[in-house]
Amino acid sequence: AQSVTQLGSHVSVSEGALVLLRCNYSSSVPPYLFWYVQYPNQGLQLLLKYTSAATLVKGINGFEAEFKKSETSFHLTKPSAHMRDAAEYFCAVTLGDKLIFGTGTRLQVFP
Amino acid sequence: GAGVSQSPSNKVTEKGKDVELRCDPISGHTALYWYRQSLGQGLEFLIYFQGNSAPDKSGLPSDRFSAERTGGSVSTLTIQRTQQEDSAVYLCASSLYSPGLNYGYTFGSGTRLTVV
Repeated sequence: AQSVTQLGSHVSVSEGALVLLRCNYSSSVPPYLFWYVQYPNQGLQLLLKYTSAATLVKGINGFEAEFKKSETSFHLTKPSAHMRDAAEYFCAVTLGDKLIFGTGTRLQVFP
Repeated sequence: GAGVSQSPSNKVTEKGKDVELRCDPISGHTALYWYRQSLGQGLEFLIYFQGNSAPDKSGLPSDRFSAERTGGSVSTLTIQRTQQEDSAVYLCASSLYSPGLNYGYTFGSGTRLTVV
């Protein structure tokens, strides 16, 4: 069955540093993959999605993710972190007509 | 509406009481989903509606949980005889089509339920 695993429940970076949030998926069919962000006391907002077109997907707020079938990965990156990027990030994969989410990675950004 | 609206935003209830959580999806979105987010955990799928039907209710944790959707629009999640372990944020999302057709979800801001 489809699932996603997010490695690292907490990631801390300095402002201006590279952000790398890891997501590995398990899927018996070509997956659709998503990254969502959740700011404090808010719902989830779509960052980007992979739907079998380009393997490098660009999203909002300068984030991007690369689909690597050989590694079953869909890691989220941003070249330079901003304080406003501090939030929780969720990777998700389609399973039938619903999304299955990972357990989330909380990103802290230090000045 | 412009977004997914959930009410109430916060609910404190006594153990054993029933609660109703409401979700008003984006107009025209046929798919509606309920998830539960507990402290320190990810999102747990509860139930999926396509129109007024619920083809997947596999995530409802017990028979104390039920949900309905009327008019292909508003949905209500009901928890009977609430327990402390029901304390969580309940998130609703809607989608124009199912994610399998590559549309993601639009989420509401959630209802924070606290059972005391």
